[in-house]
Amino acid sequence: GAGVSQTPSNKVTEKGKYVELRCDPISGHTALYWYRQSLGQGPEFLIYFQGTGAADDSGLPNDRFFAVRPEGSVSTLKIQRTERGDSAVYLCASSGQANTGELFFGEGSRLTVL
Amino acid sequence: AQSVTQLGSHVSVSEGALVLLRCNYSSSVPPYLFWYVQYPNQGLQLLLKYTTGATLVKGINGFEAEFKKSETSFHLTKPSAHMSDAAEYFCAVRDASGGSYIPTFGRGTSLIVHP
Repeated sequence: GAGVSQTPSNKVTEKGKYVELRCDPISGHTALYWYRQSLGQGPEFLIYFQGTGAADDSGLPNDRFFAVRPEGSVSTLKIQRTERGDSAVYLCASSGQANTGELFFGEGSRLTVL
Repeated sequence: AQSVTQLGSHVSVSEGALVLLRCNYSSSVPPYLFWYVQYPNQGLQLLLKYTTGATLVKGINGFEAEFKKSETSFHLTKPSAHMSDAAEYFCAVRDASGGSYIPTFGRGTSLIVHP
């Protein structure tokens, strides 16, 4: 499809487990963002890529969270030793021109940590 | 640092009535301002944006918003609500230039439209 694709759409895991969430942005978009949305809240910034490099990772809550974008296209958000507080919808967005500000969002990956 | 305040977590209107969703922002530099809409089980999509130029911007589905610098506001309006407008609406702000390219979002306002 032409839009931002996120997999899995739903992930249930146990506390302490490792999780990977994948984002496939719109073809040609150089900017990629990860946000986290908890129930009743707006999207909370995690990390921003420009090309292959993380231009800003100031939103990552702690060192259990890590993200990569090795070829400047698909990105993977990795969460180690998951905790119940990590339960949220993880949103990925891409942008063709970071300076215009418009983001194109995927439908999100809902993570539930039991 | 930027911040966004959306007054009212829920707004309820009758079909055909005026829709007004409030957004106030804080930014130390000229901002770009956005409204996004999220329908159930869908991703956020852009309704409209203000970057430069005309302060009254029109978006999709009959929505519009006006940038008022003196009031640091960017309220979203629609003259006549439709049942299909029921959704979650998010206001966002980011630096216009030379600053961060990362939009900051408000908590969202759920629009309820009843017959």
